[in-house]
Amino acid sequence: GAGVSQSPRYKVAKRGQDVALRCDPISGHVSLFWYQQALGQGPEFLTYFQNEAQLDKSGLPSDRFFAERPEGSVSTLKIQRTQQEDSAVYLCASSLDLGDYGYTFGSGTRLTVV
Amino acid sequence: ILNVEQSPQSLHVQEGDSTNFTCSFPSSNFYALHWYRWETAKSPEALFVMTLNGDEKKKGRISATLNTKEGYSYLYIKGSQPEDSATYLCAPWRSGGSNYKLTFGKGTLLTVNP
Repeated sequence: GAGVSQSPRYKVAKRGQDVALRCDPISGHVSLFWYQQALGQGPEFLTYFQNEAQLDKSGLPSDRFFAERPEGSVSTLKIQRTQQEDSAVYLCASSLDLGDYGYTFGSGTRLTVV
Repeated sequence: ILNVEQSPQSLHVQEGDSTNFTCSFPSSNFYALHWYRWETAKSPEALFVMTLNGDEKKKGRISATLNTKEGYSYLYIKGSQPEDSATYLCAPWRSGGSNYKLTFGKGTLLTVNP
């Protein structure tokens, strides 16, 4: 597609519920990133894929967070047993390749855990 | 952990005013600096990627300078317009290791009043 598409745009989850956030990167983009932006903070790195390989997941805050990109295109970020501190905007970005300066971000998914 | 500071945190100006804000980052292992502009409910938009000490880049009424030796960058907006209202984020890239990660500052929230 023309840009990075994320869905849903907004998600309200009850505490303890599992959620899945989807990212459709730009077609042909090899690298895909997930960032989390909590209120009042800058976006923070969560994880990085090159094609289907998850090369860095050091930013995932707990083992309740899981990301996958099984076919090297669409990626899903799953959060199990959501907690209030998971409330944030989750941003996805893609680029043609690692080190490519042209990172394109999606509009994000705003997750609110009540 | 990379310490990225942006100041001020927020700024209110009148239409037509010129303004500037600062991004400070560690100067060691510097590789590149990204500036993004993020309007509410939209995706972060890349403004500049700067690599060389003394670099100066311009895009319309927005320009940026870079000092890699002392670890800072300034973003200038000349003749602010209401449509410039957004959060401006900077993110340095370090050389070596996991340099694909962007480490964002908390941003400067600019509000331009008509």
